[in-house]
Amino acid sequence: TQLLEQSPQFLSIQEGENLTVYCNSSSVFSSLQWYRQEPGEGPVLLVTVVTGGEVKKLKRLTFQFGDARKDSSLHITAAQPGDTGLYLCAGAGDTGNQFYFGTGTSLTVIP
Amino acid sequence: DTGVSQDPRHKITKRGQNVTFRCDPISEHNRLYWYRQTLGQGPEFLTYFQNEAQLEKSRLLSDRFSAERPKGSFSTLEIQRTEQGDSAMYLCASSWGQGLGKLFFGSGTQLSVL
Repeated sequence: TQLLEQSPQFLSIQEGENLTVYCNSSSVFSSLQWYRQEPGEGPVLLVTVVTGGEVKKLKRLTFQFGDARKDSSLHITAAQPGDTGLYLCAGAGDTGNQFYFGTGTSLTVIP
Repeated sequence: DTGVSQDPRHKITKRGQNVTFRCDPISEHNRLYWYRQTLGQGPEFLTYFQNEAQLEKSRLLSDRFSAERPKGSFSTLEIQRTEQGDSAMYLCASSWGQGLGKLFFGSGTQLSVL
């Protein structure tokens, strides 16, 4: 099993603040994805990063894949209550048949 | 495209009973995955199908768990002799293509074993 550790585990911030969530592993991944999950629902894909050092932007969200493809970060600018949810990173496994999910970061944005 | 559908949404059972969950993936998707998730944690991989073939199964998966995808369309996950530790959300996901791609998840089946 390829372990992905996310930090922080919990984050509660005021609307309008910026935040960064980290996803770290000792393993190298061929690709990494970020998902957001709301209570009682399945995760929804936000982005896929493939190349070491790659940066992708999705409106107020910025995703970065580490140069060594072992870590990633998600930065949210001017957080809104609608950003509240569980953020999950997922790395492609050795066999190429599945994704290993991180431990998750639960974000609460207070209006 | 109606998305990935899972049934039932909730299941309460007594310890020792057998339960079966169903997943209907997006119709043209050839890859189907089962994951298990406990509260506040990330999904844990259980098993993977490409069409009707079960190509990978987690080493952590007890032999009380079995999954099928008989015609390469819907899939079932059965848990025999349920234990309290089996209580979790069981998620199904599907995708299209030869390699890993975008996973579309269902809303899950929440299992509670009393």
